[in-house]
Amino acid sequence: EDKVVQSPLSLVVHEGDTVTLNCSYEVTNFRSLLWYKQEKKAPTFLFMLTSSGIEKKSGRLSSILDKKELFSILNITATQTGDSAVYLCAEGPSGTYKYIFGTGTRLKVLA
Amino acid sequence: NAGVTQTPKFQVLKTGQSMTLQCAQDMNHNSMYWYRQDPGMGLRLIYYSASEGTTDKGEVPNGYNVSRLNKREFSLRLESAAPSQTSVYFCASREKQGGNTIYFGEGSWLTVV
Repeated sequence: EDKVVQSPLSLVVHEGDTVTLNCSYEVTNFRSLLWYKQEKKAPTFLFMLTSSGIEKKSGRLSSILDKKELFSILNITATQTGDSAVYLCAEGPSGTYKYIFGTGTRLKVLA
Repeated sequence: NAGVTQTPKFQVLKTGQSMTLQCAQDMNHNSMYWYRQDPGMGLRLIYYSASEGTTDKGEVPNGYNVSRLNKREFSLRLESAAPSQTSVYFCASREKQGGNTIYFGEGSWLTVV
């Protein structure tokens, strides 16, 4: 069965810390790995990683994909309270449409 | 550009009542999705629509029906609400063919008492 597992489940850090969030996947036919940030409402898109794009960076956030070891990490440097959210990763789309979501990592950044 | 718009944002239903969640996207996307999100269970797919006029069941379709009215709109109907359907519902749409990113609406918080 295809699955996506995120760790840790939750994390509490102080402003200025660097955090690393993990996402491992086991899927039959890998397409892409997506990261989302979810505050109180909709998940908002952060990055998409594919075989042809295994590293992405935007400001203090960066992500890499290791296709050999079947995982991805999301790094956030110099964390701020506004980074507090649930971070979701997903693999897909497999077949024509299906995405498999992890259960998320809840990050809390303390001032 | 509104993206994906869902209504209502909050709703309380009594067991056995029916209701429809509305979703519209203005990004000219072909594919649309309905997910539910429950604590500890992540996002689970209820129904999917690849294009106008087509719908397919996802992981948890029981108790729901959908209608892809046109390219923009994809509605989710609860015919006889049950407390187990208390959840947050997200509509999403996907970039045109070949695109992998999906974009979510802001969610509909549904409580069934």
